[in-house]
Formats: sequence, C-alpha cells, structure tokens
Amino acid sequence: SQQGEEDPQALSIQEGENATMNCSYKTSINNLQWYRQNSGRGLVHLILIRSNEREKHSGRLRVTLDTSKKSSSLLITASRAADTASYFCATPRTGRRALTFGSGTRLQVQP
Amino acid sequence: DARVTQTPRDKVTEMGQEVTMRCQPILGHNTVFWYRQTMKQGLELLAYFRNRAPLDDSGMPKDRFSAEMPDATLATLKIQPSEPRDSAVYFCASGLVLAGDYNEQFFGPGTRLTVL
Repeated sequence: SQQGEEDPQALSIQEGENATMNCSYKTSINNLQWYRQNSGRGLVHLILIRSNEREKHSGRLRVTLDTSKKSSSLLITASRAADTASYFCATPRTGRRALTFGSGTRLQVQP
Repeated sequence: DARVTQTPRDKVTEMGQEVTMRCQPILGHNTVFWYRQTMKQGLELLAYFRNRAPLDDSGMPKDRFSAEMPDATLATLKIQPSEPRDSAVYFCASGLVLAGDYNEQFFGPGTRLTVL
C-alpha cells in the first residue's frame, strides 16, 4: 500500500503564484523526501527532511514536516512554467532500505 | 556528470516474447532499485540490490520476472514471457545507502515497454 499520499492530485496555477502540495503518511519515519518528475523523464530528487527537522529550504522550495500529524508540505514560491511536473513524496519502507512513493501531485504552471 | 543509464529507451514487443532491460548505475553507488510506473498503480518497487546481492524482490511477479546484477556496472530486468499487462515505464535508480540512513535515489530515464 502507498505510504505517502499527496494532496491535491492536480494543481493549476499562474506563473508567479505559489504552489503548495501536501503529503500524508502512516507510520513513523526518520526522513521524508520529495522528488519531481517531468513528463517522460525519470524522477529527480529535490530535498530530504529528517524527522528531527521541522522546516527546510532549498532555493524556491520550502518543505515542512509535522511528525505529530504525519504530514509534510512542499511549497514552491514564485512558480515558473518550468516547474510544471509531477511531485512525489517518498518515505522509507518499514524495515527496509527502500522508499515508498506516493501517487503524486501534477502541477501545471500557466505562463 | 554521473547519471544512471538505461537501455533500451523504448521497446515494443509481442505477447510471449522475452524482454530484457539494462541499467548502468552510478559508479560508487551500492544500491540499485527497479521500479515500474503505470497510470493506474503509480510507482511500484519491483526489486532492489545491495552490493549486487538481491535484498528484496517481493514486488515482482516471480513466475515471469527476474532481476540480476552480473557485475557492479550492470543490472538487468528480464520478463519472460511478456504479457500486455506488463506495459509500463520501468525505471532503474541507484543510490549510496549507508547503515542507518537513507539517501537520495538517482533515477534513469526509464524504458517504456509496450506489449501488444
């Protein structure tokens, strides 16, 4: 079963606006990762946040983690048309050195 | 610029044929993953290897799928015989996973498989 589930499934915004995507998970984790997938391409790692961190920044990306609510959010500020992609959260599989990916949020940024 | 490579990029075959997909992980990475992505199921983990040893292949249909790492520079995923329901994009990813930690995974461009 999917560990992480993203919300919303699809998001359409105008260039320059902020985009917020959420991820909920079920079991305790020691880190959570966000990936981006452009159409027809492989996934690209964006950011990793550890369970003892509450917020992390990378360029125009801001990730928060609330372990009490078992949720994370990815904020893309001042979005660009090039940010159009699917965004996935990934959490470690219980007892395994592998990740479980959510179903993703499809972001469309209109120029 | 180190990257994961996969061949072929596209494969169209007929039901019952054997399909072999190849992956070259990033040099120095100790873990290789195989994923399958479909619209319906999303991204599914099929199998993964640590230091060339299979750690988990519970995501693979055992009767028709097999995954191997003959050496540190090559991972293969084979389907024999292929079926239309195997149509999907297959991704290979590699990473350097150290004890007690999970690091980022680097994905290849994928192999788009169509079984007619």
